[in-house]
Amino acid sequence: EVQLLESGGGLVQPGGSLRLSCAASGFTFSRYAMFWVRQAPEKGLEWVSTIDNGSGAKTFYADSVKGRFTISRDNSKNTLYLQMSSLRAEDTAIYYCAKSIGGTSSYYDYWGQGTLVPVSS
Amino acid sequence: DIVMTQSPESLAVSQGERATFNCKSSQTVLNSSNNKNYLAWYQQKPGQPPKLLIYWASTRESGVPDRFSGSGSGTDFTLTISSLQAEDVAVYYCQQYYNTPHTFGQGTKLEIK
Repeated sequence: EVQLLESGGGLVQPGGSLRLSCAASGFTFSRYAMFWVRQAPEKGLEWVSTIDNGSGAKTFYADSVKGRFTISRDNSKNTLYLQMSSLRAEDTAIYYCAKSIGGTSSYYDYWGQGTLVPVSS
Repeated sequence: DIVMTQSPESLAVSQGERATFNCKSSQTVLNSSNNKNYLAWYQQKPGQPPKLLIYWASTRESGVPDRFSGSGSGTDFTLTISSLQAEDVAVYYCQQYYNTPHTFGQGTKLEIK
């Protein structure tokens, strides 16, 4: 059974940093591109970042987070990461990790439960 | 970026009746090399993550009831629930995965009339 479990969320001050993790199980993690998607309170879904399968050499970011967020993966630990820095109030959201069906041009077939990141002083 | 526009913003339908959701993309999401539309539909119930319903515009995900169907091609797409059940109350999102960024529509909120 595919499972994705996010962790690392929590209250952070504006300008601060946080690293989110997504522990994957139930599939061969290295074979699949992975995604981060966020949802601000009472708002819609916003794609944040993509990392390709394998070594994760290719990464993509939304303009709203480019230069501040870094996606990475550790295939030996079956874990996806999102390093977030220079956080702003508008980054407040539930952050979901999601799995592809293979490459990066893919729909998202499994989602984690999400981790909440409030950015506030 | 491809802009996804959903209509209506909200929808109230009686149980047992048909519910129709529309999604329009600002440019085609049809890949002419494989004749596939890179369009997915997700259902999100309150307090839950999104759940995949439909991919390639019309392929139902395993385990999704057959009252859910998707149609359309190019830039215009439709999700239909043929006979609304109480458990279908949710927000429905379309998403294109043809180009990065993978953009979502703003969602359509479905309620029981």
